[in-house]
Amino acid sequence: DAKTTQPPSMDCAEGRAANLPCNHSTISGNEYVYWYRQIHSQGPQYIIHGLKNNETNEMASLIITEDRKSSTLILPHATLRDTAVYYCIVRVYRDDKIIFGKGTRLHILP
Amino acid sequence: NAGVTQTPKFQVLKTGQSMTLQCAQDMNHEYMSWYRQDPGMGLRLIHYSVGAGITDQGEVPNGYNVSRSTTEDFPLRLLSAAPSQTSVYFCASSSDSSRGEQYFGPGTRLTVT
Repeated sequence: DAKTTQPPSMDCAEGRAANLPCNHSTISGNEYVYWYRQIHSQGPQYIIHGLKNNETNEMASLIITEDRKSSTLILPHATLRDTAVYYCIVRVYRDDKIIFGKGTRLHILP
Repeated sequence: NAGVTQTPKFQVLKTGQSMTLQCAQDMNHEYMSWYRQDPGMGLRLIHYSVGAGITDQGEVPNGYNVSRSTTEDFPLRLLSAAPSQTSVYFCASSSDSSRGEQYFGPGTRLTVT
């Protein structure tokens, strides 16, 4: 799997959009970008994934650059409940191993 | 559906003791996996299974055994616990063909003294 680089922590004001970057400059053509989050000591929660097109679901949007070397997870209206560690993962579709890095700790400020 | 369940929630072991962490899912998922998470760290993959009767090693398999006799259950065994195995353990399962969208259990917090 390609390695990802994420900032260790970020702050965002409540109600504003939270934009979480992820760098994956060595990504291969058949690798997808996945995002998970972990709230306090709970089990991680799947958010979204994409290959090269931008994706949106009820939780977030995923913007992948045209060269696919980086991506941004967008939480459109952050709330205090979005305070969590966010993990960016790149992996081949149907790869048996899903490897987590250290993620970005997002603090939502009231 | 209960989703992914793990028992126990908390456990304290003495060095050298053995125990089994239980994981079960009621979603008929083929893929299941075990992770450990140490303080301030991300999750590290211990073992995984792509179906009943099939298991394989992840990043940190030493000191742990697994088996998958049914689709629903994927127990993790510690044969001789060591303080280095003090951690929070998460079990996960996935049904989709990509195996990327995983559902995680609530975790088991294990302390080895």
